[in-house]
Amino acid sequence: QSALTQPASVSGSPGQSITISCSGTSSDVGGYNYVSWFQQHPGKAPKLLIFDVSNRPSGVSNRFSGSKSGNTASLTISGLQAEDEADYYCSSYTISSALDWVFGGGTKLTVL
Amino acid sequence: QVQLVQSGAEVKKPGASVEVSCKASGYTFTTYYMHWVRQAPGQGLEWMGVINPGGGGTSYAQKLQGRVTMTRDTSTSTAYMEMSSLRSEDTAVYYCARAHSGDYYFDYWGQGALVTVSS
Repeated sequence: QSALTQPASVSGSPGQSITISCSGTSSDVGGYNYVSWFQQHPGKAPKLLIFDVSNRPSGVSNRFSGSKSGNTASLTISGLQAEDEADYYCSSYTISSALDWVFGGGTKLTVL
Repeated sequence: QVQLVQSGAEVKKPGASVEVSCKASGYTFTTYYMHWVRQAPGQGLEWMGVINPGGGGTSYAQKLQGRVTMTRDTSTSTAYMEMSSLRSEDTAVYYCARAHSGDYYFDYWGQGALVTVSS
């Protein structure tokens, strides 16, 4: 069982917007502004989309945006495109005694 | 440009050990922590641990303590992850990923190395 909870799947049509949630606790998501989001296409390494809750690395489309409220972070993808179909993972720093970083279980995005 | 190039796929028997390497280039090796993350087939990402290439300090996920060892060779800008007493559930793709010291996100990842544990 993953430490952060994400929906297993979401879907949307081209041009639409979708939001993926990532629920944690006050020990991770709620306690720090260190939430990241990654995109992973089949057979590829994860790619950083969002860091520190809402910041985009250089080169990442502004169609991707992040936010946080309490213990839940969210990734929004606007203007869905076919190439957005992939798995998406959230991650957060944590003060858990068991580990330093935690990931969500991943969300499969299907572009209809 | 920044590159993290990992060693190739491995097949090991249960109880054996495996070492995966991650050679960094395009940046100052000692100013970025190197994390290791694994992904079992069809599953999500799991954080394994981190090494500070500057000083060599490490932190491991509690569930892997005693079986995983992370080291580095600053002369070749290479990080290593060794896992011992392998079991079938260790079958996964193992990734290295860097994070700048003082930052809390992984900005570049290696291509991954598949480790298969099978009798």
